[in-house]
Amino acid sequence: GDSVTQTEGLVTLTEGLPVMLNCTYQTIYSNPFLFWYVQHLNESPRLLLKSFTDNKRTEHQGFHATLHKSSSSFHLQKSSAQLSDSALYYCALSGMSNYNVLYFGSGTKLTVEP
Amino acid sequence: GALVYQYPRRTICKSGTSMRMECQAVGFQATSVAWYRQSPQKTFELIALSTVNSAIKYEQNFTQEKFPISHPNLSFSSMTVLNAYLEDRGLYLCGARADWGGDTQYFGPGTRLLVL
Repeated sequence: GDSVTQTEGLVTLTEGLPVMLNCTYQTIYSNPFLFWYVQHLNESPRLLLKSFTDNKRTEHQGFHATLHKSSSSFHLQKSSAQLSDSALYYCALSGMSNYNVLYFGSGTKLTVEP
Repeated sequence: GALVYQYPRRTICKSGTSMRMECQAVGFQATSVAWYRQSPQKTFELIALSTVNSAIKYEQNFTQEKFPISHPNLSFSSMTVLNAYLEDRGLYLCGARADWGGDTQYFGPGTRLLVL
């Protein structure tokens, strides 16, 4: 079935340093949708980025990600972390077999320190 | 804009009792509603998908007998947690997909369930 892997459970870094959160996925479908959601404490997840197009960079609020179907990856990056970026980040997949649902990765807790 | 409301936002129930939660789409018609659960310190698990004019499809480890869902119209869905126990605690999200298509699910704020 469809699945998403986020290898880092916890990432801690200093403000101003670059951010990279890993996401790889498995699906038998050739045209999946990939998403990044951000969840702040006691809130529901909010859509940060999404992509459907291979090798095309997508950006929002300083974050960017590129879907690479060749490596089944959709890593989240930001050039300079801010304190307010501290949150839980979930990578999610929607396969064409059932694009009404999302399969979430285990999440990465990002903590940005001064 | 598209909004999804969930009620209640937070609830506490005694072990062995049941609790019903609601999901309301505002500003659009939800052709499908997916229910998810985020258990403490865990990711979001899909419970079931309810699509208009189709049977509700439950994921493995979740059953209609435990989590009955009602989806009477294109703007409302409810789910009940029957006979709740400690392992049922968590944040329950509904995600609605709009009738205009597209690839985005709109999430409600969630119902946080505590079981005593």
